[in-house]
Amino acid sequence: KQEVTQIPAALSVPEGENLVLNCSFTDSAIYNLQWFRQDPGKGLTSLLLIQSSQREQTSGRLNASLDKSSGRSTLYIAASQPGDSATYLCAAVSGSARQLTFGSGTQLTVLP
Amino acid sequence: GAVVSQHPSRVICKSGTSVKIECRSLDFQATTMFWYRQFPKQSLMLMATSNEGSKATYEQGVEKDKFLINHASLTLSTLTVTSAHPEDSSFYICSAQGSDTQYFGPGTRLTVL
Repeated sequence: KQEVTQIPAALSVPEGENLVLNCSFTDSAIYNLQWFRQDPGKGLTSLLLIQSSQREQTSGRLNASLDKSSGRSTLYIAASQPGDSATYLCAAVSGSARQLTFGSGTQLTVLP
Repeated sequence: GAVVSQHPSRVICKSGTSVKIECRSLDFQATTMFWYRQFPKQSLMLMATSNEGSKATYEQGVEKDKFLINHASLTLSTLTVTSAHPEDSSFYICSAQGSDTQYFGPGTRLTVL
C-alpha cells in the first residue's frame, strides 16, 4: 500500500527566501506525482504534475523534481511571497484505479 | 480547463438527519469520480471510488451503508451521509478523473450538531 510522507509539517520563512518542501513515497510504481496548494477551508489547487518518466516540472517560481528510484520529490519555491502562505500537499498516483495517495502536507507561512 | 463543482459548499444539520452532496464535472465526462474526507489539519483520505453505472468501491474502514454513493451519469456523482452524527463533521472533497489527472471540486464543509 502506497504511503506518502511530507517533511517538514510546518515551515515559517521570511519573505524573499527560497525554500524546499520534501515528499517521499514508499511504492515507486507510480504513474505520476502531483503537488497541490490548499488555502484554509478551501479545496485544492493543482500546482504541478510530474509524469513518472519526467525528472522535473517548472511553473513560474515553482519547480518540482522527481526521483522515482529513491521515492522522493521536492517542491522548490523561489523568492517566496506572503501570498504563498498555504498548505502544500503532494500526492502519488498509483494502482490500477490511478488513486491519489496524499501526504499530510506542509503548512507554509511566509512572513512579510 | 476542466471544472468540477460541489453543492452545497457548506451544510449544517442536526444529528440523525441525512445529507446529500453533489459533485459535477461541468465541461467533461468522468467515468470515475472519487470522494475524499479531510479532518482539520489532516490530509485527504480517500473514501470511495465511484464508477458510472456500477457500485462504488469503498476503502477499508468506510461504511458503505452510511456513506451512500451514486454515480448515475457521466457528469454527476452524489454522496449521501445517512443518519449523520457529530463525528461525521468534516470537509468532503470530490474529484473527477480526466484524461491524465483528477480534477478536484471546491469541497463541502459538513457540520453535524
